[in-house]
Amino acid sequence: DTQLTQSPSSLSASVGDRVTITCRASQDIDTYLNWYQQKPGKAPKLLLSGASNLETGVPSRFSGGGSGTLFTLTISSLQPEDFATYYCQQYDNLLFTFGPGTTVDVK
Amino acid sequence: QVQLVESGGGVVQPGTSLRLSCAASGFSFSDYDMHWVRQAPGKGLEWVAVIWYDGNNKYYAESVKGRFTISRDKSTNTLHLQIHSLRAEDTAVYFCARDRTSDGTLPLDSWGQGTLVTVSS
Repeated sequence: DTQLTQSPSSLSASVGDRVTITCRASQDIDTYLNWYQQKPGKAPKLLLSGASNLETGVPSRFSGGGSGTLFTLTISSLQPEDFATYYCQQYDNLLFTFGPGTTVDVK
Repeated sequence: QVQLVESGGGVVQPGTSLRLSCAASGFSFSDYDMHWVRQAPGKGLEWVAVIWYDGNNKYYAESVKGRFTISRDKSTNTLHLQIHSLRAEDTAVYFCARDRTSDGTLPLDSWGQGTLVTVSS
């Protein structure tokens, strides 16, 4: 089964900062990688699918890239509403896996 | 608009069974694969199970295989999760989610608000 790791596990940042989160897969998953944002007490929200396809309504400051085993989620200029936990997720061989998450909090 | 509403959670004793439900509306339920995802208190997301749009295929995380059963009722547009032999480690918020079945990466594009299951004696 494909495992996902994320780094860092948490980071502290300020409004306006550029933030990059990395997701690494244990084997080649092409671009079968999605990203979610979750705020405390809320359901996750889909941000990007297929590694780099932004969901309708998601601000353009969010971007994603990568393929194979290494992926990134970048927030170009962090906004107050972006403080949250971010998860990558993959689909491979009929099973789904989430990464352990990266928490972005206020510096 | 798409709406997913979970129910059936609560405080239950170890070893008992529980059935969670997820009422779907605002979309053609029979056209979409449906999932259960859980989140233990203070922990990350754990994918639990998926049932294909037609109900003919079901797949489970290794951690729940044999104790959890996912099902769907197209007459009532409802997704279910039957959990047997509940353990303390099953304590979590259980979310139902829809995947975008037409997209090869199967992203989970709609989620319910979750229902909390607490396993405690």
